[in-house]
Amino acid sequence: EAGVAQSPRYKIIEKRQSVAFWCNPISGHATLYWYQQILGQGPKLLIQFQNNGVVDDSQLPKDRFSAERLKGVDSTLKIQPAKLEDSAVYLCASSTNRTGRNEKLFFGSGTQLSVL
Amino acid sequence: AQRVTQPEKLLSVFKGAPVELKCNYSYSGSPELFWYVQYSRQRLQLLLRHISRESIKGFTADLNKGETSFHLKKPFAQEEDSAMYYCALKSGGTSYGKLTFGQGTILTVHP
Repeated sequence: EAGVAQSPRYKIIEKRQSVAFWCNPISGHATLYWYQQILGQGPKLLIQFQNNGVVDDSQLPKDRFSAERLKGVDSTLKIQPAKLEDSAVYLCASSTNRTGRNEKLFFGSGTQLSVL
Repeated sequence: AQRVTQPEKLLSVFKGAPVELKCNYSYSGSPELFWYVQYSRQRLQLLLRHISRESIKGFTADLNKGETSFHLKKPFAQEEDSAMYYCALKSGGTSYGKLTFGQGTILTVHP
């Protein structure tokens, strides 16, 4: 099956600029997650969608970060304006349902953001 | 607040030697623990989960609630095991993707 698709693969911007990342989950996966992975750290959950609704965005810095999943399929994550500390890999992941015992999470390849 | 600690950033062993990647957690409820692995140039993927009590690629991990640990073990390491390993925790009743990750351990298996 096709995996989780993310683009772009790399992005370099200057601080205070805006940037957007795109994710296309595996077909049929209702739940979508965005994670931020700073160099040397494990992934940190930013936001979780169930279909087109936000389930948890408690760790999303809402003053500069926003995300949407308007039709319950693709999702975009935006940073405006970017700061140096936003340099990280942004991972998208998807799964079929919320609490299934045999549930499995599928990750995309990530977008590596460098803020100069 | 829940936390996952992987005390070793780097771990090197020789092929055929036993390997143990340490993971400790702090969580007041009943956690579910996972090990994720990222091989070179590949995506992050699930290796095993404690509720399955399974052995994957020769790896096992036992949840020790008394010591709040979930160490990953393999009796005989192989070169293809070289990768980044992350321990992750899911609090009870939440979605499987709502994970708290440790900082990761880079395992290098030398020939």
